[in-house]
Amino acid sequence: EPEVTQTPSHQVTQMGQEVILRCVPISNHLYFYWYRQILGQKVEFLVSFYNNEISEKSEIFDDQFSVERPDGSNFTLKIRSTKLEDSAMYFCASSAGPENIQYFGAGTRLSVL
Amino acid sequence: EDQVTQSPEALRLQEGESSSLNCSYTVSGLRGLFWYRQDPGKGPEFLFTLYSAGEEKEKERLKATLTKKESFLHITAPKPEDSATYLCAVQASGYSTLTFGKGTMLLVSP
Repeated sequence: EPEVTQTPSHQVTQMGQEVILRCVPISNHLYFYWYRQILGQKVEFLVSFYNNEISEKSEIFDDQFSVERPDGSNFTLKIRSTKLEDSAMYFCASSAGPENIQYFGAGTRLSVL
Repeated sequence: EDQVTQSPEALRLQEGESSSLNCSYTVSGLRGLFWYRQDPGKGPEFLFTLYSAGEEKEKERLKATLTKKESFLHITAPKPEDSATYLCAVQASGYSTLTFGKGTMLLVSP
């Protein structure tokens, strides 16, 4: 069964460092998303991406964040200068269309020290 | 602003003891309501999508229903393997974003 793959499963970084989280969406999907979940809190939307551009973003997704589809299979989230409050689980999701089911990866746990 | 409230926050059941989880929502125009299951340290796993009031969907011991203001996830004769956090999310018309509730953590004891 096709699945969304995320790497690494756990990333530890120092405050102020740049991190790149990677995702391989389901192969025939066209819409890609990043969500995050701070420990004990809700899953929160960050950004959606379609046709090589951002289609929606939340207030959380400020200038420190960027997304990219560098090739035909990967979808990345970059945090330019990490803060302690960026520590969370980051989930990538993909869907065939904007109204279709979003399938989630297993997540990357980001720990900022 | 779209809002999703789930209750109870946690629920402990004995194996075979049926119950229901609640998801109340406010959204400008509902495109769809989604139920996901989340196991510890894992990503949300899709269960159901409901699109209009009165709609019902079933999968094994789970049944989801939808009204204009809330959705219920009914669990019939649960087993320990049903233990997980159940998440409800809404998608508004014209948007692809999912707005999630905090979830209900279900523990089913043998």
